[in-house]
Amino acid sequence: DAGVTQSPTHLIKTRGQQVTLRCSPKSGHDTVSWYQQALGQGPQFIFQYYEEEERQRGNFPDRFSGHQFPNYSSELNVNALLLGDSALYLCASSRTGEDTQYFGPGTRLTVL
Amino acid sequence: QKEVEQNSGPLSVPEGAIASLNCTYSDRGSQSFFWYRQYSGKSPELIMFIYSNGDKEDGRFTAQLNKASQYVSLLIRDSQPSDSATYLCAVLGSSNTGKLIFGQGTTLQVKP
Repeated sequence: DAGVTQSPTHLIKTRGQQVTLRCSPKSGHDTVSWYQQALGQGPQFIFQYYEEEERQRGNFPDRFSGHQFPNYSSELNVNALLLGDSALYLCASSRTGEDTQYFGPGTRLTVL
Repeated sequence: QKEVEQNSGPLSVPEGAIASLNCTYSDRGSQSFFWYRQYSGKSPELIMFIYSNGDKEDGRFTAQLNKASQYVSLLIRDSQPSDSATYLCAVLGSSNTGKLIFGQGTTLQVKP
């Protein structure tokens, strides 16, 4: 049973660039949530996708956008990167009607 | 007041001892509570979830919930050096939209 997968593992970008991160949910899961985790902090909720729509959004600017595909996989896009966007980006998947979220290995983004 | 609060630690216990990790939350309507373990440089791994007041045991782990006091705890019995990690408390808000709210995590060190 494949777990949540994310790509790439690591990414280095410069300020002002754009980045796309990818996530495939655990088998049987249809809901994908994205979180940002800065060093020494707990994950912060960015948004959640279900049925290809953004269902809930955290306190992040519009530079952060996402997409969910018919196969339930998801992308996180960040435009106009800032130094402060450097973090571990986590994707979590869950099944409709269930609260438990399972995390992927994360993508470490460094903005120089 | 933070929505979910944890003592950042580090909490240091000798091998074989009981480690007690605590968490308080502010949203009285919260219904679902989770403990994740995160090793350095890795993503969060689900350890336990609890929905009802009282204790829930799984192997060496016991989660305790007191909704009246808005308090969640995790006990680790017979602590092992491999338990050394950061433990994240997460709460699903009362709006039940899938947004997990995390504390900043408690670092546990188990000394051989």
